[in-house]
Amino acid sequence: QQQVKQSPQSLIVQKGGISIINCAYENTAFDYFPWYQQFPGKGPALLIAIRPDVSEKKEGRFTISFNKSAKQFSLHIMDSQPGDSATYFCAATRARETSGSRLTFGEGTQLTVNP
Amino acid sequence: DSGVTQTPKHLITATGQRVTLRCSPRSGDLSVYWYQQSLDQGLQFLIQYYNGEERAKGNILERFSAQQFPDLHSELNLSSLELGDSALYFCASSVRGGSGNTIYFGEGSWLTVV
Repeated sequence: QQQVKQSPQSLIVQKGGISIINCAYENTAFDYFPWYQQFPGKGPALLIAIRPDVSEKKEGRFTISFNKSAKQFSLHIMDSQPGDSATYFCAATRARETSGSRLTFGEGTQLTVNP
Repeated sequence: DSGVTQTPKHLITATGQRVTLRCSPRSGDLSVYWYQQSLDQGLQFLIQYYNGEERAKGNILERFSAQQFPDLHSELNLSSLELGDSALYFCASSVRGGSGNTIYFGEGSWLTVV
């Protein structure tokens, strides 16, 4: 019930291409779906997030597509750049007003963008 | 820089020993979280504190404990260490609760148990 499944495990894309990472969740109580980007030696950093009341959110080259009925969401990176090479984690949480947002992470996708 | 400060950055210790990892949350953040990142388990939630009180427990071993102090900094205590405890331990913080509150991660404390 608490799992978030992420694929692919690794992804190699040419510069300028589109990177697509997919995630699926089981717990229908989740109400916040962030994506985190992690560079080697650094902590995860929030990239973009979506709530289940919208089907898509775009911020610059990054877009989240959300399919509530399928319990799936995906990250699209348009015009991928070598600087995007990092590990990407999807996550899900049911945030409670009086406490916080405990994140359940996917397994991570190591993205390599070749120049 | 997320504003979350963790010390030490690296730590090497022997099996059976005890270590303490320290975290200072972002200014104004009331919630502190501890996560463990390892190759085989990925990023796993350990425990959460909110304004000094424990709020949620995840996959935290009984050998591990944490607390949040009145000044809101937090410590994660790991005892009777085993080789399998070698991992990157992240502290994170957020303002409070509610959907959409961003969780900010520190750069982590690398623990190696030999």
